[in-house]
Amino acid sequence: RKEVEQDPGPFNVPEGATVAFNCTYSNSASQSFFWYRQDCRKEPKLLMSVYSSGNEDGRFTAQLNRASQYISLLIRDSKLSDSATYLCVVKGGSYIPTFGRGTSLIVHP
Amino acid sequence: GAGVSQSPRYKVAKRGQDVALRCDPISGHVSLFWYQQALGQGPEFLTYFQNEAQLDKSGLPSDRFFAERPEGSVSTLKIQRTQQEDSAVYLCASSSNPLRHEQFFGPGTRLTVL
Repeated sequence: RKEVEQDPGPFNVPEGATVAFNCTYSNSASQSFFWYRQDCRKEPKLLMSVYSSGNEDGRFTAQLNRASQYISLLIRDSKLSDSATYLCVVKGGSYIPTFGRGTSLIVHP
Repeated sequence: GAGVSQSPRYKVAKRGQDVALRCDPISGHVSLFWYQQALGQGPEFLTYFQNEAQLDKSGLPSDRFFAERPEGSVSTLKIQRTQQEDSAVYLCASSSNPLRHEQFFGPGTRLTVL
C-alpha cells in the first residue's frame, strides 16, 4: 500500500461546479499536510497547508480527518484556470515530504 | 527575485551515458531536495541537503545516482550508465530553512534515455 493515495481522476466538471478530492495516508504519525498544484509540464507550487481545524483560502477549503487518516480539498465555483493536477503531500517527523500521484481536474466551459 | 533554476531543461542520453543535472536554488535557501517524477506520478524523493551536508539519500534508486552540493548552494545530480528506466523529470526544490515546509520547485530537467 502506498503511503499517500489519491484518485488520479480525471475529474471533469463544468465551470461553476463544486468539486472535492480526498487523499488518504497510511502513517498515523504524520504531522503536516499540504496541497500542491501542478500545471501540465510545469513544476508543483504550494496551494495551501492543511490545518487540524480546517482552513479556507478564497474558493478553496482544506480539511483534515486524523481518525480516518485523510485530507480533502474542496473547490467552489470552479474556474477554467483551476484545471491542473492537485498533489497531496504528507510529512512525518522528518524533513522529507511524501507526495501522492495527484488528482487531475479538468474544468470545461 | 530569481527562483530555482535547473539546467539543462531537456537532456537526451544514449543508454550507458553519464549525465549531470544542475540545480541553482534560491539564494540563501538552506534546504535542497531532488525528486524524480515519472509520467502520471507524483514527485518521488531522491535526496536532501541541508547546506552542504547530504542528510538523506534514501530515495536514490541505485548506486548509479550521486548528488552533491559542495558549497551549500548549487547542487548537481549525476547519473552514471543511464538506463531507460531513468527517463523522467528530475525536479529540484529549495526552502529557506528545514522547519519551513513550503518548497520552491525549479522547472525540472526532462531526461530521456534512448
